[in-house]
Amino acid sequence: GAVVSQHPSRVICKSGTSVKIECRSLDFQATTMFWYRQFPKQSLMLMATSNEGSKATYEQGVEKDKFLINHASLTLSTLTVTSAHPEDSSFYICSALGQGATGELFFGEGSRLTVL
Amino acid sequence: AQSVTQLDSQVPVFEEAPVELRCNYSSSVSVYLFWYVQYPNQGLQLLLKYLSGSTLVKGINGFEAEFNKSQTSFHLRKPSVHISDTAEYFCAVSAGAAGNKLTFGGGTRVLVKP
Repeated sequence: GAVVSQHPSRVICKSGTSVKIECRSLDFQATTMFWYRQFPKQSLMLMATSNEGSKATYEQGVEKDKFLINHASLTLSTLTVTSAHPEDSSFYICSALGQGATGELFFGEGSRLTVL
Repeated sequence: AQSVTQLDSQVPVFEEAPVELRCNYSSSVSVYLFWYVQYPNQGLQLLLKYLSGSTLVKGINGFEAEFNKSQTSFHLRKPSVHISDTAEYFCAVSAGAAGNKLTFGGGTRVLVKP
């Protein structure tokens, strides 16, 4: 099946620094990718929809200047957490929309961000 | 807009016993329904999905789910669980088209005991 890879899987950073998380579709082209955030023992909350070659669409309450999304190619979307603070610590998961009529979503392995 | 409710946050079950995870949804349009499994510190893996056709859907790892439109439910079942089924399970819906963004339920943590 289709594979979506996220990197890094874990990252620890100091407060105030920026962190970039990559989401790659390894064996298919994904014009649409989604970024989710998951707090411990909670469900996934959609942050934004990333469309190749255009600006991302952010969900209500998500700061677009805080969470920069770039979808520069058909196989790569990046999420940059700018000026990270401890409250940004979370598990970030991306998914990529597969091609074809059913449009199945394929999920990455997730990236755990810890901000000290 | 749509919403998903998973009625049980935790379900303890003994090995080889059956398990049912409940999922109810609300939507003003037709929906596609999904069940995902998440193992610790990992992404989500699709167990099964309902797009159209037969309301009884069979998935991987022996799981199945039944779509009930009148009750707006999509409960997940497995007749005999294994220790390896210990994980978090999420029900999700997308409205109108399969590729639309997913709305997830709160998740159900299944703990299989020996």
